[in-house]
Amino acid sequence: SQQGEEDPQALSIQEGENATMNCSYKTSINNLQWYRQNSGRGLVHLILIRSNEREKHSGRLRVTLDTSKKSSSLLITASRAADTASYFCATATSLYNQGGKLIFGQGTELSVKP
Amino acid sequence: GAGVSQSPRYKVAKRGQDVALRCDPISGHVSLFWYQQALGQGPEFLTYFQNEAQLDKSGLPSDRFFAERPEGSVSTLKIQRTQQEDSAVYLCASSLARDRGTDTQYFGPGTRLTVL
Repeated sequence: SQQGEEDPQALSIQEGENATMNCSYKTSINNLQWYRQNSGRGLVHLILIRSNEREKHSGRLRVTLDTSKKSSSLLITASRAADTASYFCATATSLYNQGGKLIFGQGTELSVKP
Repeated sequence: GAGVSQSPRYKVAKRGQDVALRCDPISGHVSLFWYQQALGQGPEFLTYFQNEAQLDKSGLPSDRFFAERPEGSVSTLKIQRTQQEDSAVYLCASSLARDRGTDTQYFGPGTRLTVL
């Protein structure tokens, strides 16, 4: 079973607007990662935030992490039609014997209308 | 350099058939992971290799699933006597595994398995 829950499950916005997706998880983590998946394709790594970090930026992406609430958010600013995809958060457990396997959320399906 | 590659990209099997899915990780990547993704769901962990050693197979759903990485590079996921519930996309990922805190997994395009 999956660890995380993502909210919302689906999000539809106009080009140029910002999109915010949230992720909650259950166990202690080493890091949290966000991935994008276009329909029928593999996962593309977007950004990784370590458990001792609170915020990270990469281009139009901003990720926050609140370990006390076991939650993270991904903000995409000035969205484009090409951002249309499913977005997944994934956590890497801090348990040594888990080898860094990722536990994924259910995903948020983002649709950006031109 | 080349990313993670998987073959075949699509596989249709009749119920009861055996299938073998191949993963070529990024050269030099120590860790290799297999995940299963059902339609509309996030990927779920199946098994993990560090070089040729299979260190975690806790996610394999039944003893019909078997994975190997004999030389620490290419990996094969084998499913015996396939069932309809095995229909999913099977994703392979690899990582350098140098720093647990910043280890990024790079995913292949996946193999879409359909069991009729």
